[in-house]
Amino acid sequence: DGGITQSPKYLFRKEGQNVTLSCEQNLNHDAMYWYRQDPGQGLRLIYYSQIVNDFQKGDIAEGYSVSREKKESFPLTVTSAQKNPTAFYLCASSILTTLATNEKLFFGSGTQLSVL
Amino acid sequence: QQPVQSPQAVILREGEDAVINCSSSKALYSVHWYRQKHGEAPVFLMILLKGGEQKGHDKISASFNEKKQQSSLYLTASQLSYSGTYFCGTEGAGGTSYGKLTFGQGTILTVHP
Repeated sequence: DGGITQSPKYLFRKEGQNVTLSCEQNLNHDAMYWYRQDPGQGLRLIYYSQIVNDFQKGDIAEGYSVSREKKESFPLTVTSAQKNPTAFYLCASSILTTLATNEKLFFGSGTQLSVL
Repeated sequence: QQPVQSPQAVILREGEDAVINCSSSKALYSVHWYRQKHGEAPVFLMILLKGGEQKGHDKISASFNEKKQQSSLYLTASQLSYSGTYFCGTEGAGGTSYGKLTFGQGTILTVHP
């Protein structure tokens, strides 16, 4: 079955530690996204990538880093510089076409990150 | 900037109708609507593109007024399964906005029997 896989489902971070959230898709989608979800604030865009080896900052990129070495993978690292990392993190992907700049997003099941 | 959704929450009885609004301060190319159940990933409902259109399937439909930079989601004859948080996502019209989808804060819809 095609889809997006996020792992782990739950993750705990210690003070000063970097942690990496995994996102893999087998939909052959060009674009991938990372969103952070906090209660009452909706989904806020962290980073997005439309092509391998290229990515752009979203609205809340500070304290996060990403890489896009392969089309199917877009891992997110939450660095120690992110002082309030506790949140639900969602990865998504979509096709990009020349007719519409955005097709619908397919979301993974999310990772809940908590600080110890 | 995030689009603004209203209302923040809606409580309905089965069979009642609801409207959720989404407003942006910038020119838009497209508007997406998604529904999220608690603890689950958001699920796609529909996309409306620049050109001003209305779409719908079953008893859920939406409109997009590009001049006003607004979209509305209409839920008619609500069912218990409609409960969840509804998000609009907007894509700006302009080079740097290409492919960047920004979501509103969400509207919590609760349908009671």
